[in-house]
Amino acid sequence: KAGVTQTPRYLIKTRGQQVTLSCSPISGHRSVSWYQQTPGQGLQFLFEYFSETQRNKGNFPGRFSGRQFSNSRSEMNVSTLELGDSALYLCASSLPSPYGYTFGSGTRLTVV
Amino acid sequence: AQTVTQSQPEMSVQEAETVTLSCTYDTSESDYYLFWYKQPPSRQMILVIRQEAYKQQNATENRFSVNFQKAAKSFSLKISDSQLGDAAMYFCAYRSAVHAGGTSYGKLTFGQGTILTVHP
Repeated sequence: KAGVTQTPRYLIKTRGQQVTLSCSPISGHRSVSWYQQTPGQGLQFLFEYFSETQRNKGNFPGRFSGRQFSNSRSEMNVSTLELGDSALYLCASSLPSPYGYTFGSGTRLTVV
Repeated sequence: AQTVTQSQPEMSVQEAETVTLSCTYDTSESDYYLFWYKQPPSRQMILVIRQEAYKQQNATENRFSVNFQKAAKSFSLKISDSQLGDAAMYFCAYRSAVHAGGTSYGKLTFGQGTILTVHP
């Protein structure tokens, strides 16, 4: 059974540009969440989607947005990139149950 | 808002010995879930063990066990017979038990992590 797939694995962007990250959840998982991981702030929740609806959103500026498609695949978009957006972005999927999320290997975004 | 605190930035253990990682949390909720995740250098977060707050029995998974003290809001992880492959960053995480329409969902709130080094 395939795990959570995130693409691309690495990305280098210039300040002011925008970026789109992709996440394919485990087959059958309808819940997808996104987290930002930095050395200074640790792991911070970005947003959660279930059946194409955003159910929860973290404390991030409006430059960070996401969506989920009918096949449960999810994308997150960051517009007008800032140096501080450099981070590991992790996607996680789960069944509609209290079990823990399964994480992907993340996308390492570097903003220069 | 819930907070999770891991007071040990780094820990080390000799191979085959036992180590305990500490985690405390703050919440006003009575129903929630607690997790320990492991993040090796490969970056992928791996679920180690899960505890439901309504269960008094401490969870165990092979060499991994927890000491869940609900009143003290403490959730420590014990790793027995440590192996070189256990070396990683360990995160404690909290999740509310929110239910809507028969489904359970909720964001994970993570601690700052503990780097575990295993010496041969």
